[in-house]
Amino acid sequence: GENVEQHPSTLSVQEGDSAVIKCTYSDSASNYFPWYKQELGKRPQLIIDIRSNVGEKKDQRIAVTLNKTAKHFSLHITETQPEDSAVYFCAASRVRETSGSRLTFGEGTQLTVNP
Amino acid sequence: NAGVTQTPKFQVLKTGQSMTLQCAQDMNHEYMSWYRQDPGMGLRLIHYSVGAGITDQGEVPNGYNVSRSTTEDFPLRLLSAAPSQTSVYFCASSYSRGAYEQYFGPGTRLTVT
Repeated sequence: GENVEQHPSTLSVQEGDSAVIKCTYSDSASNYFPWYKQELGKRPQLIIDIRSNVGEKKDQRIAVTLNKTAKHFSLHITETQPEDSAVYFCAASRVRETSGSRLTFGEGTQLTVNP
Repeated sequence: NAGVTQTPKFQVLKTGQSMTLQCAQDMNHEYMSWYRQDPGMGLRLIHYSVGAGITDQGEVPNGYNVSRSTTEDFPLRLLSAAPSQTSVYFCASSYSRGAYEQYFGPGTRLTVT
């Protein structure tokens, strides 16, 4: 099955700096890569996703890049703010019509943005 | 819309007891799933369903049963609770088969003593 590794496990940055979280996956057939943000005591929420036919996607201060050859993808947050502090999870999925988006998650990155 | 709802929010069980965690969604989503979240281990898939009457195992199915008699409901049953099942359980749903956003419920924090 799919295996997703996520680094680093903790990341501390100063407000206004950029943050980068990296993930690698094992199944070359995976074709969908979402990122979820989970604030303390809350449910995970999707912040951005990318499909395998795209190399990069941006949404305001957040961007995701995908390298299918190397089987890794990264989350980039620019101009970080204290409210960006949370746990971020990457995930990978081999989307099939018969099984939907069965996600395999990384272990998470605790991002702390210091004022 | 209420989205994805879960009950109870908190539960304490003794070893060997059984219980059912409830999950419901009002978005007419075909795909529903159950995850458990343990510190440092991310979210691991327990069971999932692609529609009423269809269920399948995920990564960590042992000790859990599911059924899907309606589109809206997807209960998770713990047959004989063990301390290793102490965790936070999240139910999630998505619009359709394929690559769509999964919406998570608020979670159930379960402690087995």
